[in-house]
Amino acid sequence: DAGVTQSPTHLIKTRGQHVTLRCSPISGHKSVSWYQQVLGQGPQFIFQYYEKEERGRGNFPDRFSARQFPNYSSELNVNALLLGDSALYLCASSPATGWNEKLFFGSGTQLSVL
Amino acid sequence: QQQVKQSPQSLIVQKGGIPIINCAYENTAFDYFPWYQQFPGKGPALLIAIRPDVSEKKEGRFTISFNKSAKQFSLHIMDSQPGDSATYFCAASGMNRDDKIIFGKGTRLHILP
Repeated sequence: DAGVTQSPTHLIKTRGQHVTLRCSPISGHKSVSWYQQVLGQGPQFIFQYYEKEERGRGNFPDRFSARQFPNYSSELNVNALLLGDSALYLCASSPATGWNEKLFFGSGTQLSVL
Repeated sequence: QQQVKQSPQSLIVQKGGIPIINCAYENTAFDYFPWYQQFPGKGPALLIAIRPDVSEKKEGRFTISFNKSAKQFSLHIMDSQPGDSATYFCAASGMNRDDKIIFGKGTRLHILP
């Protein structure tokens, strides 16, 4: 079975640009969450979606937005990129039974903002 | 109150030794405490998790010890191997559907051959 897949794997953008990151969850998983991992730090929660509805939002500015599609895949959008947005963006899926139980992470998208 | 404090930041252990990584939390509403293992270029992978109704949980060579009164929990790796060299993250969360998961800052573990 395929795990959580994220695309692209690497991305280079300049300040002020917009970026869209994509995530496909494990088949059968209805919950998807997004995390930002700055080098040398733990993942920081950004968003959680279940059945296309936002169920949680972390302490991130409104430049960050996300959505979940009927097939449970998800997109994370970041507008007006700042240098500080450079990080590894991780997507995780989980079975519907518990939001934070058994999170399965993808390998992430490494975003560099120049 | 939402922080999870993890120590040490880095750890070097000889093969066969027992590295111990510690975490502390403040929020008494947390009731799910997982540990994740992350290799370079990969996302974190769930290693083992514990609920506060037990003081210890073992899965293979990995053991979580949990001290509810002290609000601390730790990961022990028995008979450590060079392949265990990775970054380890503790985390904490409530079990309600809208609870957020909080990760520690990570421990870089290196097992010497």
